[in-house]
Amino acid sequence: ETGVTQSPTHLIKTRGQQVTLRCSSQSGHNTVSWYQQALGQGPQFIFQYYREEENGRGNFPPRFSGLQFPNYSSELNVNALELDDSALYLCASSSRTDSGNTIYFGEGSWLTVV
Amino acid sequence: AQTVTQSQPEMSVQEAETVTLSCTYDTSESDYYLFWYKQPPSRQMILVIRQEAYKQQNATENRFSVNFQKAAKSFSLKISDSQLGDAAMYFCAYRSASNNNDMRFGAGTRLTVKP
Repeated sequence: ETGVTQSPTHLIKTRGQQVTLRCSSQSGHNTVSWYQQALGQGPQFIFQYYREEENGRGNFPPRFSGLQFPNYSSELNVNALELDDSALYLCASSSRTDSGNTIYFGEGSWLTVV
Repeated sequence: AQTVTQSQPEMSVQEAETVTLSCTYDTSESDYYLFWYKQPPSRQMILVIRQEAYKQQNATENRFSVNFQKAAKSFSLKISDSQLGDAAMYFCAYRSASNNNDMRFGAGTRLTVKP
């Protein structure tokens, strides 16, 4: 158990819809990152939030957006869902005080777009 | 851009034997961190071991150890006394020390442990 919790664990959406995924970071961690893991691939970095602001972004379109709240929890929002958005979405938290900035992952949210 | 390559899509090992998983990476940076993560069927990514690039000594965590060759940009994972619970996907990952916004992952190696 890493202390990073995500919800929902599984969901099915229709193409064109919008989805919100939620993440509670590990206690003491102030940085949250989101990753997309398509089937059979390694995770791909979407973006990172630190002090409630986006602090780096991977190669994902603007319809992927996020929020971080004062308690360091976070949301990932995806608009205009496409079939290729079907994947496991992983949230990871870390602390800037950790010299190695090791990130700890939640169990993920499985999104299926039909 | 940094890239991570795992050239072994699948590996198998007999229980109690030793197996080595390969990883190479490409970077122009001198300071960075390398990780091995395990992903069992539950899908949660679990940290196995971490190596700081500035350390020459190879990291060790119980039955898990790495062979870090900085000049060759190689970072292999050795699992000794393999157990059935070691069966999982293993991902090698790179994280810059100067720009720690994201972690780059390899495509993974699926490890099967035979009883």
